[in-house]
Amino acid sequence: AQSVTQLGSHVSVSEGALVLLRCNYSSSVPPYLFWYVQYPNQGLQLLLKYTTGATLVKGINGFEAEFKKSETSFHLTKPSAHMSDAAEYFCAVSVAGGGNKLTFGTGTQLKVEL
Amino acid sequence: EAGVAQSPRYKIIEKRQSVAFWCNPISGHATLYWYQQILGQGPKLLIQFQNNGVVDDSQLPKDRFSAERLKGVDSTLKIQPAKLEDSAVYLCASSLTLTNYNEQFFGPGTRLTVL
Repeated sequence: AQSVTQLGSHVSVSEGALVLLRCNYSSSVPPYLFWYVQYPNQGLQLLLKYTTGATLVKGINGFEAEFKKSETSFHLTKPSAHMSDAAEYFCAVSVAGGGNKLTFGTGTQLKVEL
Repeated sequence: EAGVAQSPRYKIIEKRQSVAFWCNPISGHATLYWYQQILGQGPKLLIQFQNNGVVDDSQLPKDRFSAERLKGVDSTLKIQPAKLEDSAVYLCASSLTLTNYNEQFFGPGTRLTVL
């Protein structure tokens, strides 16, 4: 079975600073990796996904993530935080032949301060 | 394109009562998912449908939870009787198919409080 660990349940950054949200995965087969964002009282929205090919993946709202197999990581970054980025972020994993089922991490709440 | 619709948005019940949640997926999406999101945790898959058939219900507490998708479109999730630990947000999601990395689109969720 696959799993995801998100380090840091709460991250606080200043507006304009680098955003780094950490995600490590465990899977016995090549994984598909996802980052979702959840704004208060809303459903989850896909930010980006890694399936195969290029390991640096660009998503919406200026976010990107890099798949590092040797480190079993898929960290999410954004060069410059904006107030509107304040939300909860979830890393998730699925595998080929797994019926498109997602296993989520516990989430990281991002706070952006002036 | 309309998104995934869920109702009600909020529900407060007492333990041992029954409750039902409704989900209308994006038109044309064959696969429908119900997730349970307990405060401080990530969503956990309860049940997955492909059209009107169940693909995976291994995480569904079948002694009290039931779900159906009779015509392969709308779905209903029921809890009977509810327990305190069922307090959570119940998210419905849909995707075109259940093939690899097919994007799942999520509804706003139903927040259930069991007193």
